[in-house]
Amino acid sequence: AQTVTQSQPEMSVQEAETVTLSCTYDTSESDYYLFWYKQPPSRQMILVIRQEAYKQQNATENRFSVNFQKAAKSFSLKISDSQLGDAAMYFCAYSEDNFGNEKLTFGTGTRLTIIP
Amino acid sequence: NAGVTQTPKFRILKIGQSMTLQCTQDMNHNYMYWYRQDPGMGLKLIYYSVGAGITDKGEVPNGYNVSRSTTEDFPLRLELAAPSQTSVYFCASSVYSGANVLTFGAGSRLTVL
Repeated sequence: AQTVTQSQPEMSVQEAETVTLSCTYDTSESDYYLFWYKQPPSRQMILVIRQEAYKQQNATENRFSVNFQKAAKSFSLKISDSQLGDAAMYFCAYSEDNFGNEKLTFGTGTRLTIIP
Repeated sequence: NAGVTQTPKFRILKIGQSMTLQCTQDMNHNYMYWYRQDPGMGLKLIYYSVGAGITDKGEVPNGYNVSRSTTEDFPLRLELAAPSQTSVYFCASSVYSGANVLTFGAGSRLTVL
């Protein structure tokens, strides 16, 4: 079974600085998807960024970018110019690349605090 | 366009009671899912459905039942509630696209005392 590991239960960063959240995963598949979801205090799960394993180029969404290392099975999230609204739980998630199987496997999350 | 709607948002149950968490989506998505999130943990899949009339177990199905009679609705039934079922429950849906992008509801906090 696939597993997703987030080894940093908590992280903090000064406002306007850059922070990197770590994620590793275990799978025997060659094609799959990786995600970062944000969960603010409202509890709503919000998709931050998505990476397809067959793409070598790292995904980027505005201030959010990933460092995808397929051989190392590593998928870190970099948040640049951190803002107070970035404070949340961040979950790394994995999904197989398989029509009919879009289930997500989540890590345990990293709580990000932004220091004003 | 409401997306994924869950009711109730909060509920307190006594041990042994039963209840149904409702989930409705208005995006005509084929796939629907129920996850639970225990304190300090990630989400774990309870049940999922790939279309009306088709459901399957996820990682933690014990103590729950689901049905999918329409594309829009995917209720989760808790029979004989136990304290171990105290959790936040999320319903989600996705379209049959291979993009694997889920849309989540706002969650339902359930406490069993």
